[in-house]
Amino acid sequence: DAKTTQPPSMDCAEGRAANLPCNHSTISGNEYVYWYRQIHSQGPQYIIHGLKNNETNEMASLIITEDRKSSTLILPHATLRDTAVYYCIVRLLYGGSQGNLIFGKGTKLSVKP
Amino acid sequence: DAGVTQSPTHLIKTRGQQVTLRCSPKSGHDTVSWYQQALGQGPQFIFQYYEEEERQRGNFPDRFSGHQFPNYSSELNVNALLLGDSALYLCASTYIGDNSYEQYFGPGTRLTVT
Repeated sequence: DAKTTQPPSMDCAEGRAANLPCNHSTISGNEYVYWYRQIHSQGPQYIIHGLKNNETNEMASLIITEDRKSSTLILPHATLRDTAVYYCIVRLLYGGSQGNLIFGKGTKLSVKP
Repeated sequence: DAGVTQSPTHLIKTRGQQVTLRCSPKSGHDTVSWYQQALGQGPQFIFQYYEEEERQRGNFPDRFSGHQFPNYSSELNVNALLLGDSALYLCASTYIGDNSYEQYFGPGTRLTVT
């Protein structure tokens, strides 16, 4: 079973920041938080991951609470192309032979004009 | 640089038949994982191949089997198809030496069992 809880759906106005929450209260000390998204009819796409520090890349920012029991993915200026299902996943960071992704149902983000 | 490719894109089979799906990993990748995604659900991990061996397996019956070739490409075989096997089958690849373990997914094969 997925170890995360996400709201099933969210709306966001185009050009505004989209803040997607995720609860992972049972996360262990050596588990990372990963975010993927899946645009309709495509395979999932990696967005970002982190352990305990906030992370930022060209796609998004990841804010992890100090107790690591929850996190928020921030899309700073959402566009219509960001409409997708967003998955929050916790997993161990090993080499490729371990720690495959356990997906929940994710959050369906709808960006509206 | 080609990403992960899968074939065929769509497939229709009848209950009881067997099916083979194919995946070519992203250039430079040596590890391939397969996922099943039912409608409205997140992808579910089937198994992973590295060095031509199955390294990890999810909660799927033995009807699901796979293979990895020396060029790192992979096949997923499903025997005795059931209606419940209808799903999007996703292949993901990565390089085992990559510390971020970012998986790259293909577009998937849509299997319909009638």
